[in-house]
Amino acid sequence: DAGVIQSPRHEVTEMGQEVTLRCKPISGHDYLFWYRQTMMRGLELLIYFNNNVPIDDSGMPEDRFSAKMPNASFSTLKIQPSEPRDSAVYFCASSFHRGQNTEAFFGQGTRLTVV
Amino acid sequence: GQSLEQPSEVTAVEGAIVQINCTYQTSGFYGLSWYQQHDGGAPTFLSYNALDGLEETGRFSSFLSRSDSYGYLLLQELQMKDSASYFCAVRPTGGFKTIFGAGTRLFVKA
Repeated sequence: DAGVIQSPRHEVTEMGQEVTLRCKPISGHDYLFWYRQTMMRGLELLIYFNNNVPIDDSGMPEDRFSAKMPNASFSTLKIQPSEPRDSAVYFCASSFHRGQNTEAFFGQGTRLTVV
Repeated sequence: GQSLEQPSEVTAVEGAIVQINCTYQTSGFYGLSWYQQHDGGAPTFLSYNALDGLEETGRFSSFLSRSDSYGYLLLQELQMKDSASYFCAVRPTGGFKTIFGAGTRLFVKA
């Protein structure tokens, strides 16, 4: 397997524009997580899905953020409208949970810059 | 609530042993994990302690003491490539929401 695949790797956009980040989890994994990483706040969990169903979106900062998982092999994180404070690295991770196994596999991230 | 505390930076010499501590405050959790992240890269899983005690994986070992709310990552025979950030993480009971510490940046000097 190629691992978790995210696109794009880098995104520069102007304030007010819509941004869509994409993620393909590892085949067979039943959990998918979206994280945001900044120097100030570290790694923050935004939302996670189990079997394509959103379970906990309490980390989503505002209504400007939304995430979907239409099927087991694809998820999107959308920011509309984007703001400069959304600049961060966004990671998607997936895992296969049986018992207490908690290993998460991260994608290479999308570095978002909003100017 | 839950919180994890780690030192922000640690410096060590190539070939040495270094210990990165993690103290936590959480009402209940399944276990303590450690992740490594190189600059510009993704976090990668290193180890997981479900029970108290020491887990060894090659040059890396991880320890957990629930009674002391404390854990550590031990890196032996340090190599330059071990220069990275190291995060401890817990998954509170009742869900799959993993919480990460702020990370410890390890600098390995020649």
